[in-house]
Amino acid sequence: GEDVEQSLFLSVREGDSSVINCTYTDSSSTYLYWYKQEPGAGLQLLTYIFSNMDMKQDQRLTVLLNKKDKHLSLRIADTQTGDSAIYFCAAALGTTDSWGKLQFGAGTQVVVTP
Amino acid sequence: DADVTQTPRNRITKTGKRIMLECSQTKGHDRMYWYRQDPGLGLRLIYYSFDVKDINKGEISDGYSVSRQAQAKFSLSLESAIPNQTALYFCATSQTLWYGYTFGSGTRLTVV
Repeated sequence: GEDVEQSLFLSVREGDSSVINCTYTDSSSTYLYWYKQEPGAGLQLLTYIFSNMDMKQDQRLTVLLNKKDKHLSLRIADTQTGDSAIYFCAAALGTTDSWGKLQFGAGTQVVVTP
Repeated sequence: DADVTQTPRNRITKTGKRIMLECSQTKGHDRMYWYRQDPGLGLRLIYYSFDVKDINKGEISDGYSVSRQAQAKFSLSLESAIPNQTALYFCATSQTLWYGYTFGSGTRLTVV
């Protein structure tokens, strides 16, 4: 089955860029997502990228996809204290019997320091 | 009102008790999911349902059961709660892959 891996912790200074990395194993994954979880809340979809794209930009967020290496990254420009949260990478499984299911990574805790 | 509502938000229960977590949605989505979140393990799929008559086990379904009472309602039951079922439980819905999942705010369950 699909495995999604990401580092567990990232510390960044306010105003710097953050880069969160993720790797996945299923080459048939069709959509890849980044979710944000703030304390006491559910997961909120930040952005997604389709597997035939290399890059997607949305305001301060840039997603890069290296399909050959099965590597996904999320860059947050000008990181703010409000960006402190857990960020989850997720992959939509591509096989017929698993269509519509997402496999999540363990989450990266991002701490923004003043 | 929230698109995906989970009740209760917090629950403490004793070992051996039966407990039901409820999820309702106003999104009109056909697909509903139950995940549990444990620190360092991310989200793991317990059960999922692609429509009212279609219910499937996820990767960690042992000790859990579900009921899809209507398109909008999907309940998760712990038949006999045990302490290692202490976790944060999320319900989610989806309709297409373009928009991923919509999550509820979660139920924090503690089994003592």
